[in-house]
Amino acid sequence: DAKTTQPPSMDCAEGRAANLPCNHSTISGNEYVYWYRQIHSQGPQYIIHGLKNNETNEMASLIITEDRKSSTLILPHATLRDTAVYYCIVHKIQGAQKLVFGQGTRLTINP
Amino acid sequence: IAGITQAPTSQILAAGRRMTLRCTQDMRHNAMYWYRQDLGLGLRLIHYSNTAGTTGKGEVPDGYSVSRANTDDFPLTLASAVPSQTSVYFCASSDVSGRRNEQFFGPGTRLTVL
Repeated sequence: DAKTTQPPSMDCAEGRAANLPCNHSTISGNEYVYWYRQIHSQGPQYIIHGLKNNETNEMASLIITEDRKSSTLILPHATLRDTAVYYCIVHKIQGAQKLVFGQGTRLTINP
Repeated sequence: IAGITQAPTSQILAAGRRMTLRCTQDMRHNAMYWYRQDLGLGLRLIHYSNTAGTTGKGEVPDGYSVSRANTDDFPLTLASAVPSQTSVYFCASSDVSGRRNEQFFGPGTRLTVL
């Protein structure tokens, strides 16, 4: 599975949009971009995933560049409860997934 | 709906002892996984199972064994625990035939080996 690169930490003001970047320049054609987050010491939680089109759900939006070499996760109105480590992972959608977690981005939402 | 449960929540174990971490899911997911997370690091895959009766090795399988006798349970065994196995262990499951195939994680087991 392709490797991803994320900034180690980011800050965002409460109520503002949080934009978390991810580089995945070696992504292959059948690999999807997935985002998970881990709040404090809890288990990771799925947020969103996409192949090449932009995606939106009740939690976030995912913007994937046309060449698919990078993406941005957008939390439109960040709250204090969005403080977490966010992981960008790329892998195929079929079959058991051997997820490769990097160190992610530690997002801190400030009041 | 419980999702995924793990037991115990935490455990302190003497080196050399045998320990089994339990994981049960009620979502009828075909795939299950075990990860470990060391302080300040991301999760690393230990073992996984595509479906009942099959298992596979992940990134860090040494010192661990798993079994998948049925769909719901996926126990992780440390035959002879060592201090380097001190970690937080997360179990996960996914529906590989689903449209999203996202993984659902349990609350974790914090294991300390002395």
